This record gives sequence, C-alpha cells and structure tokens, in this order.
Amino acid sequence: GQQVMQIPQYQHVQEGEDFTTYCNSSTTLSNIQWYKQRPGGHPVFLIQLVKSGEVKKQKRLTFQFGEAKKNSSLHITATQTTDVGTYFCAGDSSGNTGKLIFGQGTTLQVKP
Amino acid sequence: GAVVSQHPSWVICKSGTSVKIECRSLDFQATTMFWYRQFPKQSLMLMATSNEGSKATYEQGVEKDKFLINHASLTLSTLTVTSAHPEDSSFYICSARGTSGYTQYFGPGTRLTVL
Repeated sequence: GQQVMQIPQYQHVQEGEDFTTYCNSSTTLSNIQWYKQRPGGHPVFLIQLVKSGEVKKQKRLTFQFGEAKKNSSLHITATQTTDVGTYFCAGDSSGNTGKLIFGQGTTLQVKP
Repeated sequence: GAVVSQHPSWVICKSGTSVKIECRSLDFQATTMFWYRQFPKQSLMLMATSNEGSKATYEQGVEKDKFLINHASLTLSTLTVTSAHPEDSSFYICSARGTSGYTQYFGPGTRLTVL
C-alpha cells in the first residue's frame, strides 16, 4: 500500500538555527498537507500544496512540493522556541477523496 | 471559522464497556469526516472515512464491528468503540472536510483509557 516516509524522526537545534524535515511518498500525490502538533494537542493545519514544483512561504516557514509530486519539504529559518512540536506531512494520492496518509512526523526541540 | 469539536475530551472506562465519541463541525457542513487513531509518540493512522448518509469505509485491519461509525448529519459523526479492551486505549481524532477544497480540520481529540 501507499507509504509516506518522513525524516528525520527527531531534531534538536539551538534557537536561531534552521530546520528541515523531508517527506517522500511511494506514489504520486494529488496534494500534500503539513500539520503541526504540540505535545498533548491535536494536529493543526499549516498548508496544502497541490501543484508540481510549488513553493509556499509562511513567514519563516517554506514549503516545497517536488516536481514529480512524490516528495515535499518544510524548512524553518531561524527557529524559535515556539516552533517546538511534531511536524507531520500527509499525502493524498486517492484523487482528492481526502484520505490522508500521514508520515511518521518529525519532532523538533529547540534549545533557548 | 472551520471549527471541529469532539466530545468527550477524555474518557476512562472498564474493559467490556462501549464508548461513544462525537465529532461535530461547528460552523460548516462536513460532507466527509475521517477518524484517526494515534498511539503515544506515533503518527496518525486513518481508521475510516464517513460520508453523510452512507456507510463508512474502513481501512484495512480496522474492525468495522468494533468501531461503529455513524454520520447521520452534515455536522455530526460518531465513533462507538464496542466492548473496549485495554489495547483500544488511544487518542482518537476526527477531522472534517467541507464541500470545497482539500483542507481537513481536526478536532481536539479524545483520549480513551480502558482499564
């Protein structure tokens, strides 16, 4: 079945350093979404990418969708302690049925 | 806008009892709702997809007779864990999608503990 792999599983950075998490799907995706989950909380939608090669920015966050629509990345510039949490990518390969396959998540720790 | 609520937020029950979890879209009509399960420090696993007025579609390995899903209206879906056992203890999260776009809005989750 479809798999979405996400690396790294954990990342510890010093505040101010950059951070990147990568997502790879075994199948071509119709769209990919990114979520952030704080400890004890629920996933909060960050962004969705639909087009091949798409790049979107939200302040210090940059999201990319690969040309083949099978991989994606989230890059955070100059991390802050408020960036702490687990970042999940979630791919939809079923033609917009909404069935999301989540990656394993990358847990980010930021040392002040 | 796009708020999804879940009730209860947490529940503790004895083994063998049934537990119902509600998922509501508060300010939009959810044509499709999804139910996920998340074990500690793990990712979200899709359990089933429910469309209003029709039977839920379960993912492989999810027992439909154990996890009963009802999507009776465009704003409410329920998940009933029947004859719960300790291994069913988990964080259950629903999400809802409206009539347009890809975005799913997640509820705050229900933490189920089965003793």
